[in-house]
Amino acid sequence: IAGITQAPTSQILAAGRRMTLRCTQDMRHNAMYWYRQDLGLGLRLIHYSNTAGTTGKGEVPDGYSVSRANTDDFPLTLASAVPSQTSVYFCASSSEWGVGDTQYFGPGTRLTVL
Amino acid sequence: GENVEQHPSTLSVQEGDSAVIKCTYSDSASNYFPWYKQELGKRPQLIIDIRSNVGEKKDQRIAVTLNKTAKHFSLHITETQPEDSAVYFCAAALGGAGSYQLTFGKGTKLSVIP
Repeated sequence: IAGITQAPTSQILAAGRRMTLRCTQDMRHNAMYWYRQDLGLGLRLIHYSNTAGTTGKGEVPDGYSVSRANTDDFPLTLASAVPSQTSVYFCASSSEWGVGDTQYFGPGTRLTVL
Repeated sequence: GENVEQHPSTLSVQEGDSAVIKCTYSDSASNYFPWYKQELGKRPQLIIDIRSNVGEKKDQRIAVTLNKTAKHFSLHITETQPEDSAVYFCAAALGGAGSYQLTFGKGTKLSVIP
């Protein structure tokens, strides 16, 4: 059992390019999340999904889109990357019901936009 | 939306001493308060959490206290060890069916000096 995985581990991207960060979990968790982590700012929620087929906006959604076609996968897309999107991106998941179910984080993707 | 303030941003203690990290939150409806530990280059991992119907929770050398009236909660680490050195994040969440959104503090870098 892998838990939650992310790809790529790191990426350097030219500004204006499109990029999709991948996230896959094998825990059958219904809820999934995308965060970005910037030095001094902690973790900020970008988008989330309660269950397959539904998504919602977090604190910093602009410039990002997500889809949730099935339970396991939750890709994050930057349609046209900008330098301010340089960050470490973490995907997380939690089981279906009730506040307080632990959010498990993936290993992260370090993205640099030049 | 929710706002979480965390203090101090850095903390150095001698091995064996205690460490205390404090957080305040703004939304009185928040009902779940996890603490995450993040070692350098690694993913955040849950170390302890508390729900709003509990005032204190303990797990070996780690304890968390919650004061709902004052809207603050604290992490206490006793008998600190070098392996406790990491960045610690507090978070607050508003519960909902299917998923919940965490708002994180900006983190405290704890250094335990041998």
